[in-house]
Amino acid sequence: DIYMTQSPSSLSASVGDTVTITCRASQSITNYFSWYQQKPGTAPKLLIYAASVLETGVPSRFSGAGSGTHFSLTINSLQPEDFATYFCLQSHSTPITFGQGTRLELK
Amino acid sequence: EVQLLESGGGLVQPGGSLRLSCAASGFAFDASAMTWVRQAPGKGLECVAGISYTGASAYYIDSVKGRFTISRDTSRDTLYLQMSSLRAEDTALYYCVKGTMQAPTPGNAFDAWGQGTLVTVSS
Repeated sequence: DIYMTQSPSSLSASVGDTVTITCRASQSITNYFSWYQQKPGTAPKLLIYAASVLETGVPSRFSGAGSGTHFSLTINSLQPEDFATYFCLQSHSTPITFGQGTRLELK
Repeated sequence: EVQLLESGGGLVQPGGSLRLSCAASGFAFDASAMTWVRQAPGKGLECVAGISYTGASAYYIDSVKGRFTISRDTSRDTLYLQMSSLRAEDTALYYCVKGTMQAPTPGNAFDAWGQGTLVTVSS
């Protein structure tokens, strides 16, 4: 199985800040990688796929980068609605696996 | 509009069985890989099982192999998860998820999620 190590597990920030979340794969997954946002009581939402492609409708303050084993999600100029939990996912091989999540909290 | 509507969850005793269903609409169900993702209370996400667009291939995480079976009926646009020999650790919210590709891997992303159905395994 491919293990995804996400960091940090939690993060405190203020509205207007820029934050970066990282994810490391236990082996190369090329760009078979995506990011998801989950708010309490709701299903996750796809933000970025193929490591850096923004899903339709997702604000441009979200961006993704990386390939191989190291990936990042950057959120520029945080908005109040961005405080949520973020998950990374690899779909290089089965079983498809998620990172453990990063909880982004308001400072 | 893509819609995924899960049903079939509930309270079941250890060792019992349940069948989850997911009614899909708003997209070409027979062109997408589908996945069941679960989330235990307060925990992270886990892909339990996935199936290709034709149903010809499927995968499972080790902890459910031999106990769970994923299937799909393209005539009804419905995804299923048959669960047996249920354990306390199977307690979770189960999401039905649409993939962006025809096969679970490589390169799939999860672009539509249902609201989830809760499975509670307890005596």
